Amino acid sequence: QSVLTQPPSASGTPGQRVTISCSGSTSNIESNTVNWYQQVPGTAPKLLIYRNNQRPSGVPDRFSGSHSGTSASLAISGLQSEDEADYYCAAWDDRLDGVVFGGGTKLTVL
Amino acid sequence: EVQVVESGGGLVKPGGSLRLSCAASGFIFSNYGINWVRQAPGKGLEWVSAISSGSTYIYYAGSVKGRFTVSRDNAKNSLYLQMNSLRVEDTAVYYCARVGQFGELDYWGQGTLVTVSS
Repeated sequence: QSVLTQPPSASGTPGQRVTISCSGSTSNIESNTVNWYQQVPGTAPKLLIYRNNQRPSGVPDRFSGSHSGTSASLAISGLQSEDEADYYCAAWDDRLDGVVFGGGTKLTVL
Repeated sequence: EVQVVESGGGLVKPGGSLRLSCAASGFIFSNYGINWVRQAPGKGLEWVSAISSGSTYIYYAGSVKGRFTVSRDNAKNSLYLQMNSLRVEDTAVYYCARVGQFGELDYWGQGTLVTVSS
């Protein structure tokens, strides 16, 4: 059971907009910034969004993050086939003194 | 180019020990914290441990506390994870990842597989 809660799956057709939610608590998401990671099966995770809504260089602006209270979300607009991957949210947890991850959301592009 | 490369994984019996290494290049290693994150086969990401740039702050997940020890040698640009009293449930790919300016894990290695089985 993960500390952060994500839906196990999401899907969309090419060109659509999809959102992935991440629910936490006062000790993690409400107190600290949220980061999102993308993992294509068989490869290492890659930083996608940091500090709630910042994109590292090279990440397309189709990806955006938001954060409010104890929840965060990742939005992907103009969905493309290469976006098919697992997505994880993460944040520092002040009570556990460590990083907590969501269980991951498998995104399927139909 | 920033790179972190893990090594040292392998097959070990329950109760055994293993030492993982993470070699860094392309950045000033002594300026950055590093985390270990693992992923059991077919499962999600699980944070394992964090160590600050100067080893002042060290943190462990509850599932490994007392069994795993993280350390670093800034002169060798290297990070280590000593894993003792290994359990079947420690079987996973272990990643090391650099900590960026805002606490994000901005560069990840390709991982090293640890299999604990009799």
